[in-house]
Amino acid sequence: GENVEQHPSTLSVQEGDSAVIKCTYSDSASNYFPWYKQELGKRPQLIIDIRSNVGEKKDQRIAVTLNKTAKHFSLHITETQPEDSAVYFCAANTGRRALTFGSGTRLQVQP
Amino acid sequence: EAQVTQNPRYLITVTGKKLTVTCSQNMNHEYMSWYRQDPGLGLRQIYYSMNVEVTDKGDVPEGYKVSRKEKRNFPLILESPSPNQTSLYFCASSSGRVYEQYFGPGTRLTVT
Repeated sequence: GENVEQHPSTLSVQEGDSAVIKCTYSDSASNYFPWYKQELGKRPQLIIDIRSNVGEKKDQRIAVTLNKTAKHFSLHITETQPEDSAVYFCAANTGRRALTFGSGTRLQVQP
Repeated sequence: EAQVTQNPRYLITVTGKKLTVTCSQNMNHEYMSWYRQDPGLGLRQIYYSMNVEVTDKGDVPEGYKVSRKEKRNFPLILESPSPNQTSLYFCASSSGRVYEQYFGPGTRLTVT
């Protein structure tokens, strides 16, 4: 089945710096790659997604890039703020089961 | 307000005592899923349903059952809970496989 690997598992940055989280996937048929943010004690919420017909998508301070040839995609957060501190999950669609999630990255933004 | 609800939010039970966690959505979504979240393992899909009376196994279905008799409801049933089912459970719904999944608030289950 689909395997989605996510790195790093923890990431600490200074406020104002950039953060990058990387994921790789195994199913070449995957064509939908969302990123979810989960704040402590809360439910995961979609922050950005990308489909395989584009290589990059931006939404204010966050961006996602996709390299279908290499089967990897990345989340970029610029000008990080303390409220960006959370666990971030990447995911890729797989067959009929919708999404396979990565194991998560705990991002801590130090003020 | 568009939402996914789950009940109960917290549950402590004993091994072998059957329990049901309810999930309901008011967005007329066809696709619903159950996930469990464990530290370091991310979100793993237990079961999913593409429509009423259509359900299928996810990655970790052992020990769980589901039913989808109505479009809005997708209960998760643990016939004989065991301690390894202690976890945080999320229900989610979406309008399709490749669209945003809306998660419920989560149910923290402890089986002693």
